[in-house]
Amino acid sequence: AQSVTQLDSQVPVFEEAPVELRCNYSSSVSVYLFWYVQYPNQGLQLLLKYLSGSTLVKGINGFEAEFNKSQTSFHLRKPSVHISDTAEYFCAVRREYGNKLVFGAGTILRVKS
Amino acid sequence: EAQVTQNPRYLITVTGKKLTVTCSQNMNHEYMSWYRQDPGLGLRQIYYSMNVEVTDKGDVPEGYKVSRKEKRNFPLILESPSPNQTSLYFCASSPGLGVYNSPLHFGNGTRLTVT
Repeated sequence: AQSVTQLDSQVPVFEEAPVELRCNYSSSVSVYLFWYVQYPNQGLQLLLKYLSGSTLVKGINGFEAEFNKSQTSFHLRKPSVHISDTAEYFCAVRREYGNKLVFGAGTILRVKS
Repeated sequence: EAQVTQNPRYLITVTGKKLTVTCSQNMNHEYMSWYRQDPGLGLRQIYYSMNVEVTDKGDVPEGYKVSRKEKRNFPLILESPSPNQTSLYFCASSPGLGVYNSPLHFGNGTRLTVT
């Protein structure tokens, strides 16, 4: 079975600074990887996904993530954050040909002015 | 507007009193799922449905029931709620998890408190 570990429960950062939210996964088979964002009092929405091909994927709102198969990681990055990026971010993995999406515990990004 | 609608948004109830949380989607999606979100645990899947009349257990199905009689609706039923079911619940849908790995569309959540 696959599992997802988000290494930081909270990440405080100042506005306009770069940020990296870390995600590691474990699976014995090929996987698809996702990052979702949850703004306060809302459901989750997709930021970006990796299915195949280029290991660097770009998403909405200036976020990008890099798939590293040897390190089984899928870290999320943004070069310059805004106050409006304050939210909880979830990494998720789905086994190739599987029908279950497994979520990590989430990382709360707090952007301070 | 394409959306997943959950009702109610907030619910406070007492132990043992049966309740239903409704979920409806207007996107003709085949796949629907219920998750619960608890601090430090992320989202855990309760039940999912690949299509009408097809449902299956997720990771934490105990104490819950679902039904999928129509494509658009996927209610979550708690026959005898207990305090450990106090949580934030999300319904989600997608055209089908295998269809170009379509993203899940989430409702806005139902915050349930069982006293």
